[in-house]
Amino acid sequence: GAGVSQSPSNKVTEKGKDVELRCDPISGHTALYWYRQRLGQGLEFLIYFQGNSAPDKSGLPSDRFSAERTGESVSTLTIQRTQQEDSAVYLCASSFSGLGTTEAFFGQGTRLTVV
Amino acid sequence: GNSVTQMEGPVTLSEEAFLTINCTYTATGYPSLFWYVQYPGEGLQLLLKATKADDKGSNKGFEATYRKETTSFHLEKGSVQVSDSAVYFCALSQGAQKLVFGQGTRLTINP
Repeated sequence: GAGVSQSPSNKVTEKGKDVELRCDPISGHTALYWYRQRLGQGLEFLIYFQGNSAPDKSGLPSDRFSAERTGESVSTLTIQRTQQEDSAVYLCASSFSGLGTTEAFFGQGTRLTVV
Repeated sequence: GNSVTQMEGPVTLSEEAFLTINCTYTATGYPSLFWYVQYPGEGLQLLLKATKADDKGSNKGFEATYRKETTSFHLEKGSVQVSDSAVYFCALSQGAQKLVFGQGTRLTINP
């Protein structure tokens, strides 16, 4: 596609429910990143995929968080048993290869609200 | 580990004022440095970048110079416009590693 696409754009869920967030990267981009942005704060790294493997998942805050990627395509971030502190904007980015000099392209994000 | 510290906001300026948003970093070796911008209602987008010491990145009238001696990458613009109102993020990366972001600085330009 023309850009990184994320869905849904907004999600309101009850505490304790599971949610699944989706990211469609730019076609041909091998690297994919998930970040979290809490209100008024910076971007917090969650996980990085190169192809369908995840060489760096050091940012996942707990075992309630998991992510998968199919080949060099769609990724899903799953949050189980959501808590109020999970409320944030979840951002996905992709790049042609691993970062360094390569630009990362971001999606519009999914705003998650846990009530 | 690598980290980025940037000027706390919010910053409010009048149109045509001079802008500086400070950014310093901590990293081993030679990271690449970036400024990303998030306009209201839009996604993050790359504003400019520099990949080695003394490089100057520039775009849309903004500039930032990679200063290894001071580990800094300050963002500057000589004359800001209302349309520059946004949140600005300084970031670094090394090799194939993740982008590490600063906290972001919210900039508001008044006419």
